[in-house]
Amino acid sequence: GENVEQHPSTLSVQEGDSAVIKCTYSDSASNYFPWYKQELGKGPQLIIDIRSNVGEKKDQRIAVTLNKTAKHFSLHITETQPEDSAVYFCAASIRLNSGYSTLTFGKGTMLLVSP
Amino acid sequence: NAGVTQTPKFRILKIGQSMTLQCTQDMNHNYMYWYRQDPGMGLKLIYYSVGAGITDKGEVPNGYNVSRSTTEDFPLRLELAAPSQTSVYFCASSYRGAGAEKLFFGSGTQLSVL
Repeated sequence: GENVEQHPSTLSVQEGDSAVIKCTYSDSASNYFPWYKQELGKGPQLIIDIRSNVGEKKDQRIAVTLNKTAKHFSLHITETQPEDSAVYFCAASIRLNSGYSTLTFGKGTMLLVSP
Repeated sequence: NAGVTQTPKFRILKIGQSMTLQCTQDMNHNYMYWYRQDPGMGLKLIYYSVGAGITDKGEVPNGYNVSRSTTEDFPLRLELAAPSQTSVYFCASSYRGAGAEKLFFGSGTQLSVL
């Protein structure tokens, strides 16, 4: 089945710096790659996603890049702020034995932005 | 809109007890999911449902059961709770059309089995 590896597991940056989180996936059939942000005590929330027919997508300070050949995708956060501190999960779409598709998640990256 | 609502938020069970985690969504989503989150392990799919009356196993279904009698509700049943089921449980929903897979999560249920 699909395996999603996420690095690093923890990331500490100073406010204003950039942060990059990287993920690799194994299933070449995966075609949807979302990123979720989980704040303490809350459920994950979608922040950005990308489909396999696009190489890059940007939304204000957040961008995601996808390299289908190498099977890796990355989250880039510029001008980090303390409120960006959270756990970030990458995910990749997988097709289940039933024929339906769902997501498989990486293990998460705890991002700490220091003032 | 309330989105995805889970109850209870916290629960402590004794080994062998049973309980039901409730999940309801008001977005008219056809797909619903149950995940468990263990420290440093990401999210693992327990069960999912593609519509009322249709459920199927995910990656880690042992020790759990689900039902989907309505579009809105997707309860998760734990029978004979074990310490290995200590975890944070998240319910999620999505609208599946044209390949959309955006999951909306509830705020979670923290369960301890002692």
